Amino acid sequence: AQSVTQLDSQVPVFEEAPVELRCNYSSSVSVYLFWYVQYPNQGLQLLLKYLSGSTLVKGINGFEAEFNKSQTSFHLRKPSVHISDTAEYFCAVSGRSKLTFGTGTRLQVTL
Amino acid sequence: DTGVSQNPRHKITKRGQNVTFRCDPISEHNRLYWYRQTLGQGPEFLTYFQNEAQLEKSRLLSDRFSAERPKGSFSTLEIQRTEQGDSAMYLCASSLEKTSGSGEQFFGPGTRLTVL
Repeated sequence: AQSVTQLDSQVPVFEEAPVELRCNYSSSVSVYLFWYVQYPNQGLQLLLKYLSGSTLVKGINGFEAEFNKSQTSFHLRKPSVHISDTAEYFCAVSGRSKLTFGTGTRLQVTL
Repeated sequence: DTGVSQNPRHKITKRGQNVTFRCDPISEHNRLYWYRQTLGQGPEFLTYFQNEAQLEKSRLLSDRFSAERPKGSFSTLEIQRTEQGDSAMYLCASSLEKTSGSGEQFFGPGTRLTVL
């Protein structure tokens, strides 16, 4: 069985400040890891994914994430956030088919 | 637009009625997934198809739920005798899977169901 824990339900941050959204996973098999973003009343958009290789993954909109196998973590980071980054962020894990999502982290960027 | 489309975008129904949602995946994608998302939660897996074959169903998918993908293209999700607890956003996703199983899933905008 696979599971994902997103430790922070909400993260408030000022514009141009750095941010880290935390994600821990558990799985009995090799996994693929993903971060998705969801804007209000929309579907999910892929930010980045880790399949294999380099543990530092770069995605769209300036986001990056680091896969840490020993800590079973896949934290999402951005060095300087913008107002438009306000959204819900979901970490997900998959084996070879379905995605298992965390409960999400609401990133609220203010001036 | 060549993305995943879902219809209708919103559905309001009375308890006990049947509803059907449609999902049109990206045309060359062989896998199609259904997820359900309730307020304040992440999406939860319901079922998925590879071509026309339904390969996995979640325990969340009660007997009142049925999904089809008859020709390996679009899919329908039907809920019979709706209950208020069925109120949620129903998301469809598709992917092009080869052998690794690591294909990116592309999501549609979802169908929001409200059961009165």
